[in-house]
Amino acid sequence: NAGVTQTPKFQVLKTGQSMTLQCAQDMNHNSMYWYRQDPGMGLRLIYYSASEGTTDKGEVPNGYNVSRLNKREFSLRLESAAPSQTSVYFCASRTDRLGAQHFGDGTRLSIL
Amino acid sequence: GQQVMQIPQYQHVQEGEDFTTYCNSSTTLSNIQWYKQRPGGHPVFLIQLVKSGEVKKQKRLTFQFGEAKKNSSLHITATQTTDVGTYFCAGANNNDMRFGAGTRLTVKP
Repeated sequence: NAGVTQTPKFQVLKTGQSMTLQCAQDMNHNSMYWYRQDPGMGLRLIYYSASEGTTDKGEVPNGYNVSRLNKREFSLRLESAAPSQTSVYFCASRTDRLGAQHFGDGTRLSIL
Repeated sequence: GQQVMQIPQYQHVQEGEDFTTYCNSSTTLSNIQWYKQRPGGHPVFLIQLVKSGEVKKQKRLTFQFGEAKKNSSLHITATQTTDVGTYFCAGANNNDMRFGAGTRLTVKP
């Protein structure tokens, strides 16, 4: 029972490099989310996908793109990484917009 | 836009003391959720409150949702070292859910 799986767990990039963070869930959830967590700022929503085939911007979408590849997978792409994107990224999923969110273990991303 | 404020930012208690964190929203919420994140871990769902004035208990944890559905609190009675971590509230309004900045709890044995 894996739940929400994120890869990679750690990554160091140079400014300007691109990167895709992967997320997969095995709970047959409709909704999936990408958050970033910075010290003292809680979790901020980057993008979400309410259902397969749809994606919407969250609170802080600039500099990111997403793809809902299928019901299980939701990826986050940084096209040209910037130091301000250094953060811990969490993927989450839930059955519908009212249910509990299940989080992955996170990706710790550093951009130099 | 919707804002969710959470206080205090930090709380340090002696084991056995009580702890409370408060969450306030700028808008009326449809529901509020609480999560706990252990150091180095990921947020884990604790509970969801939906009804005005709702009170729910989980062992030593008591959760309340305000009558106006704009504020909520989490109270821990007689803290233990296993309670350490950051507690987040997340307020939902239609399709928009916003997390508070969290309250980081440390417990001295």
